[in-house]
Amino acid sequence: EAQVTQNPRYLITVTGKKLTVTCSQNMNHEYMSWYRQDPGLGLRQIYYSMNVEVTDKGDVPEGYKVSRKEKRNFPLILESPSPNQTSLYFCASSPATGFTEAFFGQGTRLTVV
Amino acid sequence: ILNVEQSPQSLHVQEGDSTNFTCSFPSSNFYALHWYRWETAKSPEALFVMTLNGDEKKKGRISATLNTKEGYSYLYIKGSQPEDSATYLCAFNSGAGSYQLTFGKGTKLSVIP
Repeated sequence: EAQVTQNPRYLITVTGKKLTVTCSQNMNHEYMSWYRQDPGLGLRQIYYSMNVEVTDKGDVPEGYKVSRKEKRNFPLILESPSPNQTSLYFCASSPATGFTEAFFGQGTRLTVV
Repeated sequence: ILNVEQSPQSLHVQEGDSTNFTCSFPSSNFYALHWYRWETAKSPEALFVMTLNGDEKKKGRISATLNTKEGYSYLYIKGSQPEDSATYLCAFNSGAGSYQLTFGKGTKLSVIP
């Protein structure tokens, strides 16, 4: 089954404790991205990757890091989480055409206390 | 940051009513316009990807139109059912170089049985 898998689904952590949210896709898509969803705001892009070892900042990259060592995986790293990073996070993948649909993971609800 | 506006923010309709909502986007540098359906506690799922001015797409009772010259797209739902209750997101892709999607804040539809 074609899917994008994020882990964990829910996470509560403390300020400053490094964490990684994993994202994996099995569709051989070139393009992967991370979004955050906050009440009253649309999905905002954090980082994206157009292929292995090619990553770039989205609209809200501060406080986040990513890596793309393999085509299928695109982890999101919070080196020193802060409460303003409490949010719902989505990973998405698509073929690198721009006019094909994006496939989203199940979401990760992160709370930083 | 590109401006993608959706209206209304939310609406309630009776079962059986037809409804429509709007997505406005910049009319310059158009590449593609996406519509997604996002049910609570699930991940967004693609409805349509539209690329040509005048495009009309249909999936069951849901259809969409696109006007790239004036920068808007309409999503129509005919004979709304309770299972249509969801947030409908549009996303604008401005260029072939980066495939970056800019999302609107969504229209939350509630269909009352």
